Amino acid sequence: GIQVEQSPPDLILQEGANSTLRCNFSDSVNNLQWFHQNPWGQLINLFYIPSGTKQNGRLSATTVATERYSLLYISSSQTTDSGVYFCAASRSYNTDKLIFGTGTRLQVFP
Amino acid sequence: GAVVSQHPSWVICKSGTSVKIECRSLDFQATTMFWYRQFPKQSLMLMATSNEGSKATYEQGVEKDKFLINHASLTLSTLTVTSAHPEDSSFYICSAVYRGGEKLFFGSGTQLSVL
Repeated sequence: GIQVEQSPPDLILQEGANSTLRCNFSDSVNNLQWFHQNPWGQLINLFYIPSGTKQNGRLSATTVATERYSLLYISSSQTTDSGVYFCAASRSYNTDKLIFGTGTRLQVFP
Repeated sequence: GAVVSQHPSWVICKSGTSVKIECRSLDFQATTMFWYRQFPKQSLMLMATSNEGSKATYEQGVEKDKFLINHASLTLSTLTVTSAHPEDSSFYICSAVYRGGEKLFFGSGTQLSVL
């Protein structure tokens, strides 16, 4: 099956800093999503982005499917951005067999 | 939109008892629901895929007699951990997708502690 790896595993930032999180996948995908898990365990869907670029406020994501990676950009980070960011990928167009990456744990300090 | 409710948020039980966790899609019909297990500081591991009105499909290594899944309606799926043991202690999370949808929406998770 697809292998999904994320880097860096841990990231510590001061409020206001920018960051880039990376997701590498081992095979071609037709479904790729980014999630944020807050410190209480709730996962929020950030982006559905099998290819191209999307932006939502301070967050944006880019997937280069031909090179098998996706990037999540966080600008002007806030303490509420803390938590774990997961990417998940699948060969299916729907959500079947979404494989979750190893996650990037982000801590933002005031 | 796309709210998924999961209950209970946490449960403590004695070894040998059974625990039921509910997952409801509140504002959409979820043709498919997924159940995940997450250990501390680890990623999500898919346990099973549940389609309304049919038997769940379990991932390799997941005991179907241990983790009973029922998806009786388009808005409700349940996971029952039967004869729970301390090694079943974990964070269980459900997710749902609506028909034709590509995005996954998650419940808030259930922390199970078996004493």
